[in-house]
Amino acid sequence: DAKTTQPNSMESNEEEPVHLPCNHSTISGTDYIHWYRQLPSQGPEYVIHGLTSNVNNRMASLAIAEDRKSSTLILHRATLRDAAVYYCAGLQNYGGSQGNLIFGKGTKLSVKP
Amino acid sequence: GAVVSQHPSRVICKSGTSVKIECRSLDFQATTMFWYRQFPKQSLMLMATSNEGSKATYEQGVEKDKFLINHASLTLSTLTVTSAHPEDSSFYICSASPWVDNEKLFFGSGTQLSVL
Repeated sequence: DAKTTQPNSMESNEEEPVHLPCNHSTISGTDYIHWYRQLPSQGPEYVIHGLTSNVNNRMASLAIAEDRKSSTLILHRATLRDAAVYYCAGLQNYGGSQGNLIFGKGTKLSVKP
Repeated sequence: GAVVSQHPSRVICKSGTSVKIECRSLDFQATTMFWYRQFPKQSLMLMATSNEGSKATYEQGVEKDKFLINHASLTLSTLTVTSAHPEDSSFYICSASPWVDNEKLFFGSGTQLSVL
């Protein structure tokens, strides 16, 4: 079961890095860890995903613990547009079939100017 | 990038009526689409997995006769809330992906359903 646990809320100052943690101690060995973010009244937006190795893309970095029981989403320089609810989600792998995302409760990130 | 279009974005209906929500993959084919429901200040809860050409798979506690899902083509899945009641008022979101195996999902913009 890819259940995830995140802090309810976090605050950051603009232009500073933000580290958003997620615990997923029950994740299986083949479940990918995904991060999405959601603005009010909108659908979630993909941020990043990974399995074991750390990942980087233009939006963020994902640091995955060696035991895979936790991960951290890193926004290198927070902007006001990064204020959103960030969801850590496990993607259940159905062995070649499309898996579904199991969302945690998310972290509401506030960014102060 | 892949685009998932969801329509309508907002609907208000009377109790007892049925409402249909459409989810389209605009630039890719999706054999599988997912339907989520989100109550205010809560996370997304998976309702069902929609499979093209076959019956949908519903999560535990979701009434299949109330939430009818039709995935008649590789680019369209519909969710019909039958005999809607005020407790069905929620934000409904669909998602799909052009890939299989752990790749990112693309989400529609959601449908806010208000049942009076």
